[in-house]
Amino acid sequence: KAGVTQTPRYLIKTRGQQVTLSCSPISGHRSVSWYQQTPGQGLQFLFEYFSETQRNKGNFPGRFSGRQFSNSRSEMNVSTLELGDSALYLCASSLGGDGKETQYFGPGTRLLVL
Amino acid sequence: GEDVEQSLFLSVREGDSSVINCTYTDSSSTYLYWYKQEPGAGLQLLTYIFSNMDMKQDQRLTVLLNKKDKHLSLRIADTQTGDSAIYFCALRGFQKLVFGTGTRLLVSP
Repeated sequence: KAGVTQTPRYLIKTRGQQVTLSCSPISGHRSVSWYQQTPGQGLQFLFEYFSETQRNKGNFPGRFSGRQFSNSRSEMNVSTLELGDSALYLCASSLGGDGKETQYFGPGTRLLVL
Repeated sequence: GEDVEQSLFLSVREGDSSVINCTYTDSSSTYLYWYKQEPGAGLQLLTYIFSNMDMKQDQRLTVLLNKKDKHLSLRIADTQTGDSAIYFCALRGFQKLVFGTGTRLLVSP
């Protein structure tokens, strides 16, 4: 089975721009979660989607948004980029039924904001 | 909220055992995980333990859980240079994982 895939792997943007990151879960997985990893804050939960609905959201500003499609693929969007948004963005998928299954991670998208 | 702490750094010699520790405050998690992250890569699931277990062994990996002290550890037997990475413990909350700060393991030949 193919693992979780994320595109693009690397991205460079400038302040004020917006960016869209994509995640394709493991086949059969219906839950997709997003995490931000920075040296200062570590790994922080952004949001989780299941069956096209956001079930949980972390403590991030409204500039961070996401969605999930009917094939379980997910995108996250960051608008009005700030320097502090530079991070590794990780996507994880799980079966998703009760919100407690094991999460499997993709390789991440490294975003640099200049 | 949940708080998960790990020591920042561990250095061992090849062939020795490594023990990475994790302490947490929220005891409601049903699953506790160990993930490995190599430079420039995502998170690789190493192993996990269910909260009603005290120990789990998986080849070179042994996970110990002390629920009373809210302490989780990962022991790597016969540590190899390829084990050099950052190791994260994580607690499974509802619909999300809460990660520790990560322990950088350096294995020297």
